[in-house]
Amino acid sequence: AQSVTQLDSQVPVFEEAPVELRCNYSSSVSVYLFWYVQYPNQGLQLLLKYLSGSTLVKGINGFEAEFNKSQTSFHLRKPSVHISDTAEYFCAVSGFDNFNKFYFGSGTKLNVKP
Amino acid sequence: EPEVTQTPSHQVTQMGQEVILRCVPISNHLYFYWYRQILGQKVEFLVSFYNNEISEKSEIFDDQFSVERPDGSNFTLKIRSTKLEDSAMYFCASSEAWWRGPNTGELFFGEGSRLTVL
Repeated sequence: AQSVTQLDSQVPVFEEAPVELRCNYSSSVSVYLFWYVQYPNQGLQLLLKYLSGSTLVKGINGFEAEFNKSQTSFHLRKPSVHISDTAEYFCAVSGFDNFNKFYFGSGTKLNVKP
Repeated sequence: EPEVTQTPSHQVTQMGQEVILRCVPISNHLYFYWYRQILGQKVEFLVSFYNNEISEKSEIFDDQFSVERPDGSNFTLKIRSTKLEDSAMYFCASSEAWWRGPNTGELFFGEGSRLTVL
């Protein structure tokens, strides 16, 4: 089985500032990694994913994440946030042994202030 | 853009009552899932469904829960006798079949059905 830890439950940041949302995972097998975003009263939308290849992946809305196998991390970054980025962000992992089963972190609420 | 749709968006029920949450997955997807999120907690896997049968279920998915694909488009989650602790947001998701290779690996989620058990 896999597990995901998102250490920051809330991250306040000013508009146009950079942000990093942290995600660490544990797994005994190789993994696929995902970031989902949930806007208020909406479902979960995929931001980006790492399946294989380049460890730096780019997603929608200017977000990117870097897979670091040695540190078992998949941190999400954006160089300049907008008010519209205010949402909850979930890191998720699935294992090569069962990639149809996702394990989610507890989420990080990003609050972008003007 | 194809999407997963869920109904109802919010349901309030009395403890002990039966509840059915409905989902319409993306039409060409073959794997279906239910996840739930108790307020303030993680999104948790409940069950996956493929080829008209349960592929996998979690410890949470006990005998009070059941899933069904009653026709070619709907995928339902039934809770036979609701308990207070069943209050949560329930997310339906769908994905392409795994045997096509992990070329997408993406779960497409609906907007969720909020269940409140009183």
